[in-house]
Amino acid sequence: NAGVTQTPKFQVLKTGQSMTLQCAQDMNHNSMYWYRQDPGMGLRLIYYSASEGTTDKGEVPNGYNVSRLNKREFSLRLESAAPSQTSVYFCASSDTGSSGANVLTFGAGSRLTVL
Amino acid sequence: AQTVTQSQPEMSVQEAETVTLSCTYDTSENNYYLFWYKQPPSRQMILVIRQEAYKQQNATENRFSVNFQKAAKSFSLKISDSQLGDTAMYFCAFMKLYTGTASKLTFGTGTRLQVTL
Repeated sequence: NAGVTQTPKFQVLKTGQSMTLQCAQDMNHNSMYWYRQDPGMGLRLIYYSASEGTTDKGEVPNGYNVSRLNKREFSLRLESAAPSQTSVYFCASSDTGSSGANVLTFGAGSRLTVL
Repeated sequence: AQTVTQSQPEMSVQEAETVTLSCTYDTSENNYYLFWYKQPPSRQMILVIRQEAYKQQNATENRFSVNFQKAAKSFSLKISDSQLGDTAMYFCAFMKLYTGTASKLTFGTGTRLQVTL
């Protein structure tokens, strides 16, 4: 059971280049999320998708776009990378039931460096 | 908006000893969940423990327990019999209770715990 799989694990970009981070989950979860982690700031929500076909902005969406390709996959795109987007990116997913805590399962993270 | 504050950037504990990590939060919600996540050097985010706000009983998971004080908006994590494998960054996180839609986590800035021999 792979859980949440992110690719690539590491990437170096030059300022202005574009790239897409891929995320796939095999737990049949409805909701998916993208977070970024910066030193001293914890994890901050970039975008999320409550269900297939919907996406919404989180706390720090500027400079990013997302696509919920299907129930399994949720990609994050940087159209014109900037040094401020140097960070570790985490994808997560959760089930949305009518009761109980919706525990997030995280991927292993992707370290992105923008020069 | 919710905020989560972890006022201890770094802590150290000797193996087999007990350590408590602090977390406070601010919210106007009445129904919510609180979590502690562990992030070892591998970078993987691992759920340690969770607490439902409507439950007065403090959650426990083996050597990990919480002290949840709802009125004070405090949620501390106690690690008993500390082990070298507990060395990690620990994040406190808040989640509003939704039904039928995404449940977003708000994280604190983390406490780096070092377990020493």
